[in-house]
Amino acid sequence: GQNIDQPTEMTATEGAIVQINCTYQTSGFNGLFWYQQHAGEAPTFLSYNVLDGLEEKGRFSSFLSRSKGYSYLLLKELQMKDSASYLCAVMDSNYQLIWGAGTKLIIKP
Amino acid sequence: GAVVSQHPSRVICKSGTSVKIECRSLDFQATTMFWYRQFPKQSLMLMATSNEGSKATYEQGVEKDKFLINHASLTLSTLTVTSAHPEDSSFYICSARDLSGVPHEQYFGPGTRLTVT
Repeated sequence: GQNIDQPTEMTATEGAIVQINCTYQTSGFNGLFWYQQHAGEAPTFLSYNVLDGLEEKGRFSSFLSRSKGYSYLLLKELQMKDSASYLCAVMDSNYQLIWGAGTKLIIKP
Repeated sequence: GAVVSQHPSRVICKSGTSVKIECRSLDFQATTMFWYRQFPKQSLMLMATSNEGSKATYEQGVEKDKFLINHASLTLSTLTVTSAHPEDSSFYICSARDLSGVPHEQYFGPGTRLTVT
């Protein structure tokens, strides 16, 4: 079956760095997405990885290792507004997104 | 960037009535749209994939006669929740895929909060 695993909840301190991990097992692979979702709102796109390596975009970076079925989202210089759920999703061979359950990130002052 | 709108943003209806939710791609053509449902503190659950001009593909466990999907044009898909019950209260989100874009990113609408009383 298809499976996406990520931690349920993480807590970090304002100004610090946090890494949210995601492991996956899917039928085929056409890329991995990270989305941010604030409570009561729709997800917003953060990053896309289809090749191994690190993609950096401002305070956010995303890493992918296809051989390990592993990705992480790295958030630097955390701000209170970064408190949200972070969703990992893999696009399978049918170009359908398989979603993880999301990681709720709590930022403390 | 691509914009997807959803209407209404919030709706309250009485048990037994039907509710229609619209999803529009505003600046691109979407041959494929997706309907998700999200219960509190849970992740997105794909309900169905809507393809323009053909029948929707429903995920296992989703009643196609209860959740009617129509994708009549390249910019509009509608989800009708028929004979709604309190357990149908949820956050319904649509997304649209722009095949002309890379890498087949899905653009999400703002969501519709449905409350059935």
